[in-house]
Amino acid sequence: EPEVTQTPSHQVTQMGQEVILRCVPISNHLYFYWYRQILGQKVEFLVSFYNNEISEKSEIFDDQFSVERPDGSNFTLKIRSTKLEDSAMYFCASSRTSGSATGELFFGEGSRLTVL
Amino acid sequence: AQSVAQPEDQVNVAEGNPLTVKCTYSVSGNPYLFWYVQYPNRGLQFLLKYITGDNLVKGSYGFEAEFNKSQTSFHLKKPSALVSDSALYFCAVRDNGGNTPLVFGKGTRLSVIA
Repeated sequence: EPEVTQTPSHQVTQMGQEVILRCVPISNHLYFYWYRQILGQKVEFLVSFYNNEISEKSEIFDDQFSVERPDGSNFTLKIRSTKLEDSAMYFCASSRTSGSATGELFFGEGSRLTVL
Repeated sequence: AQSVAQPEDQVNVAEGNPLTVKCTYSVSGNPYLFWYVQYPNRGLQFLLKYITGDNLVKGSYGFEAEFNKSQTSFHLKKPSALVSDSALYFCAVRDNGGNTPLVFGKGTRLSVIA
C-alpha cells in the first residue's frame, strides 16, 4: 500500500539553526500539506501546496517557514532560524483531490524536531 | 471559522464493552467530518468520514460514527472494544462552503483495559 514517508524521524538542533524536513508524498497525489503537533497539544495546520505553489497557510506559517517541491517526488519544509517553540512533531500529508474538501488526507509518520 | 471540540482527554473502557469517543463541531456551512487514529510513535491514520448521505458511517477496524446535525456532533463508536484499539483519536472538520483546511480537535486518548 502506498504511503507518505518522512525524514528524518527525529532531529535535534540548536536554536537559530536552519532545519529542512523532507517528505515523499504518495506518487499520484496532487495536494500536499504540513501540520504540526506540539507535545500534548492538538494537530495544527501549517500550509497546503498545490500546483507548485502555496494554496493556504496558517498564522503559524510565518516568514521563517517555507515549502518547496524541488523535484517530482520530494516536498520539503524549511525553518530558517529555529526557535525553542518550534519543537514539535511535524506531519506531512497528501491527497489526490483537494483532500480537505472531500477525500481523506494520508499522513506520514512524522518528524520530531527538538530545538535546544 | 470552523472548530472541533473533543470534551474528553481520556476515555477508559473494558475490553468487550462498547466505546464512544465524543466530538462536536462548529462550521458556518455544511460540515465534512473525519476521524483519525494515532498509535504511539506513528502518524495519523484515516478511520472514516462523513460527507453526505447516511448519518451512520462505517470505517476501518469496526469503527463507526454518527452524524447528528441538530446536536452538531460526530461521535465515534465501536460495539466491542479491543485492547489494540488503545490509541489517540482525533476528530477533524472542514467547512465545505469554503476552501479551508482540515481542522483537528485536541484528541482523546482511548485506553481499553483487558
